[in-house]
Amino acid sequence: GAVVSQHPSWVICKSGTSVKIECRSLDFQATTMFWYRQFPKQSLMLMATSNEGSKATYEQGVEKDKFLINHASLTLSTLTVTSAHPEDSSFYICSARDNRQALNEQFFGPGTRLTVL
Amino acid sequence: LAKTTQPISMDSYEGQEVNITCSHNNIATNDYITWYQQFPSQGPRFIIQGYKTKVTNEVASLFIPADRKSSTLSLPRVSLSDTAVYYCLVGFYSGNTPLVFGKGTRLSVIA
Repeated sequence: GAVVSQHPSWVICKSGTSVKIECRSLDFQATTMFWYRQFPKQSLMLMATSNEGSKATYEQGVEKDKFLINHASLTLSTLTVTSAHPEDSSFYICSARDNRQALNEQFFGPGTRLTVL
Repeated sequence: LAKTTQPISMDSYEGQEVNITCSHNNIATNDYITWYQQFPSQGPRFIIQGYKTKVTNEVASLFIPADRKSSTLSLPRVSLSDTAVYYCLVGFYSGNTPLVFGKGTRLSVIA
């Protein structure tokens, strides 16, 4: 199947700093990528839909000024957590759908563990 | 999107067959049923997808009755490495429609 990578796999930062997470589709192009957040023992929560060349679509309750998403190319989307605080500590997962496929399968990255001190 | 209901958790011994049932009473005509597996600290992984009757691949089987209001993921002869959370998703996902995850079923395989 198609491969989606994330970088970094984990990051620890001080409160108030900004952190950028990259999501890449390695062997396919993705006009749309998705960002999820997962707290311990909970399910994945969709944060936003990232569209190449246009603004991201954020889910209700997700602050777009805090979670900046940029999808500058067909293989790269970035999520920047601005002025991170301890409550932003979570597991961030991106995914992408292969445009060549007719239906449904969405490929997920390995996730990025963010810890804000 | 169709709401899904799955057991919160299940336990099984190694070597047994495990069946996880998902209820989706308001499934729409165009909806597909898709199962994902997630290990701790990893992204979800696609297991199997079906529309009706039975689908089988090298990992699992998916049984869907005629009314499509439920589905059963069957894992043959589980091993310790099958310990994971299994998510049932129902919908017609294409283009920029994201997958929306429910609570999933936490399967624990015991030696």
